[in-house]
Amino acid sequence: AQSVTQLDSQVPVFEEAPVELRCNYSSSVSVYLFWYVQYPNQGLQLLLKYLSGSTLVKGINGFEAEFNKSQTSFHLRKPSVHISDTAEYFCAVIFNNAGNMLTFGGGTRLMVKP
Amino acid sequence: DAGVTQSPTHLIKTRGQQVTLRCSPKSGHDTVSWYQQALGQGPQFIFQYYEEEERQRGNFPDRFSGHQFPNYSSELNVNALLLGDSALYLCASSLFEGHSIPYEQYFGPGTRLTVT
Repeated sequence: AQSVTQLDSQVPVFEEAPVELRCNYSSSVSVYLFWYVQYPNQGLQLLLKYLSGSTLVKGINGFEAEFNKSQTSFHLRKPSVHISDTAEYFCAVIFNNAGNMLTFGGGTRLMVKP
Repeated sequence: DAGVTQSPTHLIKTRGQQVTLRCSPKSGHDTVSWYQQALGQGPQFIFQYYEEEERQRGNFPDRFSGHQFPNYSSELNVNALLLGDSALYLCASSLFEGHSIPYEQYFGPGTRLTVT
């Protein structure tokens, strides 16, 4: 079955420290990969996406992610976090045999502490 | 330029009742998708509408139905509500650019449905 796993439900980190949020997927078909952020009481905002080409993609707010096909991973990184980065982060995948349907992971709550 | 809008923002219903949620897509978009996000979980795809037809459906029962209007806005209807239908319902709009291209989906703020 095709699925998306975010290994950490919560990630506490101090302000200005680096952070990595992990995402793995299971699939034998090609994929398109996305990271979304959700602030409290708001919808989802796209941070970045991988469709093809360079496996290192840069997004908004200083985030970047790297697609690793052999490890079926798409981890999100930021070298220095701010208090304002506190939010829920969702990894999402479009599997090539599934139209344009986004399959989401369970989410990771990033908690940035002063 | 207005983004995706949804109404109402909150809704409380009783088990067995029916509910209709509404979505207006971002200007210039022609495709609407609906997702259900239960508390503490990631969103789950319900269905997608394009050219006023349901084009793709996730693993949801027939109690969940929808409609798309000529102006591209959309409704999500849920019949015979269950307690488990309590969730945030998200609408996402996009512009169809061909079957081989994954198009970016823009999300609205959601409608919080509580079933008691």
